[in-house]
Amino acid sequence: AQTVTQSQPEMSVQEAETVTLSCTYDTSENNYYLFWYKQPPSRQMILVIRQEAYKQQNATENRFSVNFQKAAKSFSLKISDSQLGDTAMYFCAFMTPASGSRLTFGEGTQLTVNP
Amino acid sequence: DAGVIQSPRHEVTEMGQEVTLRCKPISGHNSLFWYRQTMMRGLELLIYFNNNVPIDDSGMPEDRFSAKMPNASFSTLKIQPSEPRDSAVYFCASRQQGRADNSPLHFGNGTRLTVT
Repeated sequence: AQTVTQSQPEMSVQEAETVTLSCTYDTSENNYYLFWYKQPPSRQMILVIRQEAYKQQNATENRFSVNFQKAAKSFSLKISDSQLGDTAMYFCAFMTPASGSRLTFGEGTQLTVNP
Repeated sequence: DAGVIQSPRHEVTEMGQEVTLRCKPISGHNSLFWYRQTMMRGLELLIYFNNNVPIDDSGMPEDRFSAKMPNASFSTLKIQPSEPRDSAVYFCASRQQGRADNSPLHFGNGTRLTVT
């Protein structure tokens, strides 16, 4: 069974600064995909970034980037130049084709960006 | 693209009543998922469909829960009878499952269910 762990229930950062959210996972599969979703107070689940396990290059999407360490089974999210609108719950998620493409989510990290 | 559409957005009902949650996936998506979100258990997969066929319902809590997908553009999640512990946010999500296995799930805005 796959598990996803986010060890930081809450984090805060000052506006314009950089913050890193941690995520680790456990799987015996070699082919899988990792995602970060954002859930603002509106409760909508919004895809932030995705990473394929077979790609060594870390994914980036504007101010969002990941540090994917496959051997360590770590998938952290870095948010640069934090903005007030980044305040949200962030979920790390794991998917493998072998599991029927279902997403397994971590517990979430509540990020607050302070002005 | 209107996104995944869920209704109602909020539902308040009394214990013992039947509740039906509705979902319209994104047109062209062939996989549909129902998730439940609670403070205690986080996001849990209840059931998912591929091409309208239920593939895995092992996450459905008990027989009071049932889900159907009569066609590619509509799905329902029914709870009968409802209980206070069913109070949660229920999300529907869809994706295009195909050659691009990394295609993400697209979520609806969820239905917040409160059972009193």
